[in-house]
Amino acid sequence: EPEVTQTPSHQVTQMGQEVILRCVPISNHLYFYWYRQILGQKVEFLVSFYNNEISEKSEIFDDQFSVERPDGSNFTLKIRSTKLEDSAMYFCASRGLGDYGYTFGSGTRLTVV
Amino acid sequence: SQKIEQNSEALNIQEGKTATLTCNYTNYSPAYLQWYRQDPGRGPVFLLLIRENEKEKRKERLKVTFDTTLKQSLFHITASQPADSATYLCALAPRGGSQGNLIFGKGTKLSVKP
Repeated sequence: EPEVTQTPSHQVTQMGQEVILRCVPISNHLYFYWYRQILGQKVEFLVSFYNNEISEKSEIFDDQFSVERPDGSNFTLKIRSTKLEDSAMYFCASRGLGDYGYTFGSGTRLTVV
Repeated sequence: SQKIEQNSEALNIQEGKTATLTCNYTNYSPAYLQWYRQDPGRGPVFLLLIRENEKEKRKERLKVTFDTTLKQSLFHITASQPADSATYLCALAPRGGSQGNLIFGKGTKLSVKP
């Protein structure tokens, strides 16, 4: 069964540092997403990406965040200057044309110290 | 204000019984509603989708209902097994949204005891 792959599974970073979270979506999917889940909280939408551009973003996705699909297979989330409150599980998801169910990756646990 | 709520944080049932989980929403007009399963430390796994014009959907031991008048969806697992123990999330897609701002509930943690 096709999978969404995320790396690394766990990242610890110092406050103020930049981090890049990586995702390889399912190859024939067209819609890509980042969500996050703070421990014990809801899964929250960050950003959706389609046709090589952001199609929607939430209030959480401020200027510190950016996404890229540099090479047609990888999909990355960059946090420019991490804050303690960015500590969360970050999930990448994708879906195909005509699909409505999302396929999520296993997540990257980001810990900002 | 807009809310999506799963009324029970936790539900404990005996193996073989039917588990019923509830999802209520206010101030949304969802085009469809989805249910996901989430195991600890893992990403959500898609289970079922039900559209606004559908009353009921089934998949094996799973059944979802959708009542847009009550603004409620019920998720049933029949003949529950210990392997069904997980957190179940409901998520809705607001009508008029673009490609995918899913709004998630906080989840109900289901424990099925042998």
